[in-house]
Amino acid sequence: EAGVAQSPRYKIIEKRQSVAFWCNPISGHATLYWYQQILGQGPKLLIQFQNNGVVDDSQLPKDRFSAERLKGVDSTLKIQPAKLEDSAVYLCASSLQGNSYEQYFGPGTRLTVT
Amino acid sequence: AQTVTQSQPEMSVQEAETVTLSCTYDTSESDYYLFWYKQPPSRQMILVIRQEAYKQQNATENRFSVNFQKAAKSFSLKISDSQLGDAAMYFCAYRREKAGANNLFFGTGTRLTVIP
Repeated sequence: EAGVAQSPRYKIIEKRQSVAFWCNPISGHATLYWYQQILGQGPKLLIQFQNNGVVDDSQLPKDRFSAERLKGVDSTLKIQPAKLEDSAVYLCASSLQGNSYEQYFGPGTRLTVT
Repeated sequence: AQTVTQSQPEMSVQEAETVTLSCTYDTSESDYYLFWYKQPPSRQMILVIRQEAYKQQNATENRFSVNFQKAAKSFSLKISDSQLGDAAMYFCAYRREKAGANNLFFGTGTRLTVIP
């Protein structure tokens, strides 16, 4: 079974530029999560999708972050414009259903904003 | 709001010895799940063990076991016969049982070093 795929693995941009991350969940997984992990901290949820609908985006900085999940499969997370404090690892995870206890994580994208 | 606290930023253990990582959490809910995840330098989170709050029996997975104290809101991880491959960041995490928004709440992690 293929795992959660993410790209790119690394990205370096200057502040005020825009960036996009892509996630392909495990086939058949209805629920998709984006987490932000700042250095030295645990991951924090940015947004949760159930199929192509948003379940929770209360922690997403909507003035600069946006996310979509087209056709309930792949998802894209965008930051525009980026700030220095956005430097972090962005992890995507998926689960079979929202109540399924196990979330499977991708390898993450490390973003550095200079 | 749910909070998860890991008070040990770093721990070390001799190869083949036993180590215990601590975790406490705060919640007003009665039904929930607790997890320990391992994050090696590759950054991919790997599930080590899970515990359902309604189960009194402590979970065990091979060399990994937990000590779940619901009243004290404590959830420690014991690694027996430590191996070099156990070296990683370990995160304690909480998840609600309810349907809908059921994301994981993570602690700040404990970096485990295994000394040969």
